[in-house]
Amino acid sequence: DTAVSQTPKYLVTQMGNDKSIKCEQNLGHDTMYWYKQDSKKFLKIMFSYNNKELIINETVPNRFSPKSPDKAHLNLHINSLELGDSAVYFCASSRASGTEAFFGQGTRLTVV
Amino acid sequence: DAKTTQPPSMDCAEGRAANLPCNHSTISGNEYVYWYRQIHSQGPQYIIHGLKNNETNEMASLIITEDRKSSTLILPHATLRDTAVYYCIVRRNYGGATNKLIFGTGTLLAVQP
Repeated sequence: DTAVSQTPKYLVTQMGNDKSIKCEQNLGHDTMYWYKQDSKKFLKIMFSYNNKELIINETVPNRFSPKSPDKAHLNLHINSLELGDSAVYFCASSRASGTEAFFGQGTRLTVV
Repeated sequence: DAKTTQPPSMDCAEGRAANLPCNHSTISGNEYVYWYRQIHSQGPQYIIHGLKNNETNEMASLIITEDRKSSTLILPHATLRDTAVYYCIVRRNYGGATNKLIFGTGTLLAVQP
């Protein structure tokens, strides 16, 4: 069973569209995250949630809106997609005490 | 969180030990050293972490110098599947969802047959 799963794995869309990426973890963790890896391979945190509550928002444009319906899910909705949003987006989870984080396989978003 | 410095790339022969260095000269007393790796086209994978004692698990060993200003990740018998970017990260364990990971540029380890 995959611990942290993201869908879709690949997403190609036009500028201006709205899209969502889903993430689910079956590890029983309280904390979930979204990271973005850009074309230069820099990995940077975007958001973290603890028990459905937003904890970290790293000055991400408000076109990005995370939603956590329950502590096992953290979805990422992106409005009005721009070319610069093209990247690989990784979901992760950890226990609240947060030693090790488990990452999903990533969603490669391409905006054309 | 303290910054880290790693060589951009290293080579290692298959079957030999891979020793990946990391400098963290500004580390403070309550900060841990974490290692993650990212194999091509996959998500980052946790390897090991430590505070001041050396640590070993099924994947690797972590050697932290006595002054804690540097550390070395050791893969005892590197295989081709260990080819990846290895990230050394230093951070406090805050607890709660503030446990963000700050990734640097890492070391690209290329294991050669």
